[in-house]
Amino acid sequence: AQSVAQPEDQVNVAEGNPLTVKCTYSVSGNPYLFWYVQYPNRGLQFLLKYITGDNLVKGSYGFEAEFNKSQTSFHLKKPSALVSDSALYFCAVRGWLSGDDKIIFGKGTRLHILP
Amino acid sequence: DGGITQSPKYLFRKEGQNVTLSCEQNLNHDAMYWYRQDPGQGLRLIYYSQIVNDFQKGDIAEGYSVSREKKESFPLTVTSAQKNPTAFYLCASSMGEDLADTQYFGPGTRLTVL
Repeated sequence: AQSVAQPEDQVNVAEGNPLTVKCTYSVSGNPYLFWYVQYPNRGLQFLLKYITGDNLVKGSYGFEAEFNKSQTSFHLKKPSALVSDSALYFCAVRGWLSGDDKIIFGKGTRLHILP
Repeated sequence: DGGITQSPKYLFRKEGQNVTLSCEQNLNHDAMYWYRQDPGQGLRLIYYSQIVNDFQKGDIAEGYSVSREKKESFPLTVTSAQKNPTAFYLCASSMGEDLADTQYFGPGTRLTVL
């Protein structure tokens, strides 16, 4: 069965610095990978996804993520953090083989951008 | 959150009561989902439906029930059999059954058992 891990419960970054939120996955076959953001007491907002093609995916609010097949990772990045980026970030994976075709969410990483 | 509404935003329930959470979407999506979110546990799938009048259990369906009588509506009932119902409940929808389809989420309902 597929799995996804977000190894950091919390990440602190100074405003203006680059940020990275880590995600690793395990799935049979090729993965579909997603990043979502959640603000307090709100639903999840879709940021970006990887299906196939270019390993660097660009998404909303200046975020991007790099798919690395050899390291089974899909880290979320932004060149210059804003205080408004402070939120809870979820990585999700879905496989295309039977048994691995349900979407699985990571436990989330709380991002704090320090002014 | 656009296109998917959940009501109420906050809900309080006494032990032993059933409560129903509403989820409506105007995105013309075929698939709808219910998730439960607990602190530090991410999202867990309760039920999902890929077509009207059909639905499947997710990973934690015990103590919950759903219906899908209309394409735009997917209400969730939390029954008295659910032992620990206090949580944040999220409804989502996606265009169809394609594995690459993005799920779009509603704003959530926070249920508290008194």
